[in-house]
Amino acid sequence: SAVISQKPSRDICQRGTSLTIQCQVDSQVTMMFWYRQQPGQSLTLIATANQGSEATYESGFVIDKFPISRPNLTFSTLTVSNMSPEDSSIYLCSVGQGAVGYTFGSGTRLTVV
Amino acid sequence: DAKTTQPTSMDCAEGRAANLPCNHSTISGNEYVYWYRQIHSQGPQYIIHGLKNNETNEMASLIITEDRKSSTLILPHATLRDTAVYYCIVRRMDSSYKLIFGSGTRLLVRP
Repeated sequence: SAVISQKPSRDICQRGTSLTIQCQVDSQVTMMFWYRQQPGQSLTLIATANQGSEATYESGFVIDKFPISRPNLTFSTLTVSNMSPEDSSIYLCSVGQGAVGYTFGSGTRLTVV
Repeated sequence: DAKTTQPTSMDCAEGRAANLPCNHSTISGNEYVYWYRQIHSQGPQYIIHGLKNNETNEMASLIITEDRKSSTLILPHATLRDTAVYYCIVRRMDSSYKLIFGSGTRLLVRP
């Protein structure tokens, strides 16, 4: 299965600033996905990152707040913009791999102060 | 998407079998049952999936009822490292289809 490297693993940020999270995959994949996991909660899908086109966002998530880039088939970034304490969560990227389902990165633990 | 219902929490003794149930009464014919787990502070990990036949791999067994409206994940000899949140998810095989998580079952394996 694919190996995903996600950076940074954790960060503490000031409110009002932005953080860009990187997701690097060791093989080419068509679909990459970004999730948010708030403290004590399950995973919520933010958006699907498509190479060569704009990301597709789920209800409740907008591009201005969570801009996503997908410049090639092995890399994507998620930016959390104008952060507030409510954005404190774990952010995870994932790739779809057909029969074996999805592989997940280890996540970025974000704390906004 | 077919919805799934799982108990909020369960526990079992170390060395015993852990049987985690999942209801998916609205599952359609082309949807598979997937199980993932998330150990604390890690990303979710794929366990097993199936369509209608029972499946077994090195991690677990998946028993799907004949009407496909429910399934059970079996960890045959639970260890302390199996303590995690287990998610039952129904999805199509098409890898472009998004994976939607429910609330899962928090399994505690007791010494």
